[in-house]
Amino acid sequence: QVQLQESGPGLVKPSQTLSLTCTVSGDSISSGSVYWSWVRQPAGKGLEWIGRIYTSGSINYNPSLKSRVTISVDTSKNQFSLKLSSVTAADTAVYYCAREEKLTGTSWYFVYWGQGTLVTVSS
Amino acid sequence: QSGLTQPASVSGSPGQSITISCTGTSSDVGSHNLVSWYQQHPGKAPKLMIYEATKRPSGVSIRFSGSKSGNTASLTISGLQAEDEADYYCCSYATSSTRVFGGGTKLTVL
Repeated sequence: QVQLQESGPGLVKPSQTLSLTCTVSGDSISSGSVYWSWVRQPAGKGLEWIGRIYTSGSINYNPSLKSRVTISVDTSKNQFSLKLSSVTAADTAVYYCAREEKLTGTSWYFVYWGQGTLVTVSS
Repeated sequence: QSGLTQPASVSGSPGQSITISCTGTSSDVGSHNLVSWYQQHPGKAPKLMIYEATKRPSGVSIRFSGSKSGNTASLTISGLQAEDEADYYCCSYATSSTRVFGGGTKLTVL
């Protein structure tokens, strides 16, 4: 059974960089035909897709966050990471990591999720 | 890239059926069948309920079904049960392999 676990600071100061790591267990992060993704959810609000990375290195970002986001993979640690720069209070949210699996011939869907981690942006 | 439009809330009594709509544009929902639906209970991670607009993953109750017409996708839950009370989100592929979520719908089982 694949499991994902987010980790990182729960409090980040405005203008600084938010850094989170997702540790994958139960499978290799290098498994084919999967994407490793980040999704966030401000308190009481809806889900927002941040971006994803394929094990080949292909990356897609939310256009509204693209200038501030970096997603990377560390295969040696079976982890992938999120960096979000120049954060403001609007970036306060629960951040989820997720694994997208190819359920049909041409599309991937969020099948496995981490439990989520709250990141608060405040001085 | 604007979010998909969902009703803020829907409600129904046990045993009844409800439908949640998800409206997008010709650039996302309307351009393909790559729409999915997620159920989220309070404090929990989302769970995939429907993918490719109409397909159910293994283990998801047959009471959950999906459909799509034009720029609008729909999730129908039949035979409502108390455990179905949750937030539901639609999600669609958008341009350049990106994703866009709906604003979410709170389902209340009366």
